[in-house]
Amino acid sequence: DVKVTQSSRYLVKRTGEKVFLECVQDMDHENMFWYRQDPGLGLRLIYFSYDVKMKEKGDIPEGYSVSREKKERFSLILESASTNQTSMYLCASSLAGGLYGYTFGSGTRLTVV
Amino acid sequence: ELKVEQNPLFLSMQEGKNYTIYCNYSTTSDRLYWYRQDPGKSLESLFVLLSNGAVKQEGRLMASLDTKARLSTLHITAAVHDLSATYFCAVEDNNAGNMLTFGGGTRLMVKP
Repeated sequence: DVKVTQSSRYLVKRTGEKVFLECVQDMDHENMFWYRQDPGLGLRLIYFSYDVKMKEKGDIPEGYSVSREKKERFSLILESASTNQTSMYLCASSLAGGLYGYTFGSGTRLTVV
Repeated sequence: ELKVEQNPLFLSMQEGKNYTIYCNYSTTSDRLYWYRQDPGKSLESLFVLLSNGAVKQEGRLMASLDTKARLSTLHITAAVHDLSATYFCAVEDNNAGNMLTFGGGTRLMVKP
């Protein structure tokens, strides 16, 4: 009954690498989101998308980009990974009108060394 | 700008005790959500509160929403160790396309 799938549970990358985090949802949701979560800082929104090929910056977009070529898939890209991007990354999706809140993926714990 | 505040941020309680977590928000909203997060895991939906006066219960947890007071509570009855987790409330922002604004979370530890 998995609804939002993140491709990796744990990931270790080197500084300067280009990193792709993938998220796929099977609920036909219009909206998709990428958050990062760090101790003491709560959930911080990186980017979101409300339609295919549409994207909007969240609160902390610097150092990240996103791609949404298909409705079900939302990718987060770290163009040149840095150690301060070591974090837990959470993908979520929702219906356009809200109503049921967000469904979250299982998260990707990224370590940049 | 919608702001969401939870308190307490950290709660340590004995098994069998009752306690309430509070979620206050700053602007009008009719929808509020509660999530649970276990250590190292993602957020799991607990309750969806869609109108003023809404009350939902699941086991030892009961959530309520007072939209006039801009307040939601998550009440824990006779806590057990398995309830240890971080709990987040999230409020739907009517002025931002129904996006959610999350509270900072309440880390609950239930001691045997």
